Amino acid sequence: GAVVSQHPSRVICKSGTSVKIECRSLDFQATTMFWYRQFPKQSLMLMATSNEGSKATYEQGVEKDKFLINHASLTLSTLTVTSAHPEDSSFYICSASARTDTQYFGPGTRLTVL
Amino acid sequence: SQELEQSPQSLIVQEGKNLTINCTSSKTLYGLYWYKQKYGEGLIFLMMLQKGGEEKSHEKITAKLDEKKQQSSLHITASQPSHAGIYLCGAGNQRYNFNKFYFGSGTKLNVKP
Repeated sequence: GAVVSQHPSRVICKSGTSVKIECRSLDFQATTMFWYRQFPKQSLMLMATSNEGSKATYEQGVEKDKFLINHASLTLSTLTVTSAHPEDSSFYICSASARTDTQYFGPGTRLTVL
Repeated sequence: SQELEQSPQSLIVQEGKNLTINCTSSKTLYGLYWYKQKYGEGLIFLMMLQKGGEEKSHEKITAKLDEKKQQSSLHITASQPSHAGIYLCGAGNQRYNFNKFYFGSGTKLNVKP
């Protein structure tokens, strides 16, 4: 099956710094990528949808200036958490889709902001 | 790694009929999440089950968790075309603050009007 990777798997950073998370589709071209976040003691929630070459569509309540999403190629999407604060500590997971109904999920990234 | 097996893989039902989707884990379940994926869109969170024996309902969808059997079931009553989509179960490697999250392979549901 299709493989989606995320890097890094874990990251610890200081408050005020920016963190970039990469999501790559390894063996297929992903026309659409999704970013999810797990809130404490809650489920994963969709943050944004990105289509290659166009601006991401953010879900209500997600700050687009805070969470910068770039889908520059058909195999790579990046999520940058700008000026991270402890409340941004969370589990972030991406998924990728290639013009089909099926989404393939990355393994996730655990972000801890000190 | 944890594996989540869903059954059936696909399902076609007549509108108004009831249906059940199952999710079985190869390892201890630390809670179980159900999602619906609309075609071409992101996951929609349906419900989260944290304790064995827990049962939750949202509109016409009910989910139960059997921790001893390491499985969960999702039941839809009086299905409607709006229920069509792919249903995914998911689980983390810990109850909270997990750093790995696993999804089942999904169950594709079509509801015929």
